[in-house]
Amino acid sequence: QSVLTQPPSVSGAPGQGVTISCTGSSSNIGAGYDVHWYQQLPGTAPKLLIYAKTNRPSGVPDRFSGSKSGASASLAITGLQAEDEADYYCQSYDNSLSSWVFGGGTKLTVL
Amino acid sequence: QVQLVESGGGVVQPGGSLRLSCAASGFMFNSYGMHWVRQAPGKGLEWVAFIRYDGLDKYYADSVRGRFIISRDNSQNTLYLQMNSLRAEDAAVYYCAKNEAMIARAYFHYWGQGTLVTVSS
Repeated sequence: QSVLTQPPSVSGAPGQGVTISCTGSSSNIGAGYDVHWYQQLPGTAPKLLIYAKTNRPSGVPDRFSGSKSGASASLAITGLQAEDEADYYCQSYDNSLSSWVFGGGTKLTVL
Repeated sequence: QVQLVESGGGVVQPGGSLRLSCAASGFMFNSYGMHWVRQAPGKGLEWVAFIRYDGLDKYYADSVRGRFIISRDNSQNTLYLQMNSLRAEDAAVYYCAKNEAMIARAYFHYWGQGTLVTVSS
């Protein structure tokens, strides 16, 4: 059971938008720690998608955006494309575990 | 460009040992902390261990503390993970990742391609 909770799957049609939630607690996201997001395409290593809640590394399209409110965070993807089909993970720091923690991952299916 | 290349994975019996390596290039290795993160087959990501840029601070997940040892050789730009007393639940792809930002804000900026560890008799 992951410390950060994500929906197992989401789906959307090409061109549409989806949102992936990441729910934590007062010892991680709710404590004010940054939330980061990773994209893992099938058979490949994870790749940094969003860091410090809202920032995108160079090369990441602005169709991807992050937000945070209280003990939860969200990843929004607009204008879905077939190549967005992947697993998405949120990550933060937990002060009760003194460790970095991930969500369980969300599989995005582009219909 | 940043490159991280893991090696050393393989098949090991329960109770056995294995040492993973991660060769780094394209950045000042001795200025960055480094992580190991693993992913069991069909499962999500699990942080394993972190080492500070100078090797003086190390942190471990509860699941591996006392069995795994993270280390680095800054003269060789190489990160290591010594895994002892291996269990079936340690079977996973192990990734090394370059740390960015301070502890509480840290994230995994670049990842290697991973090396597969199989624990089986």
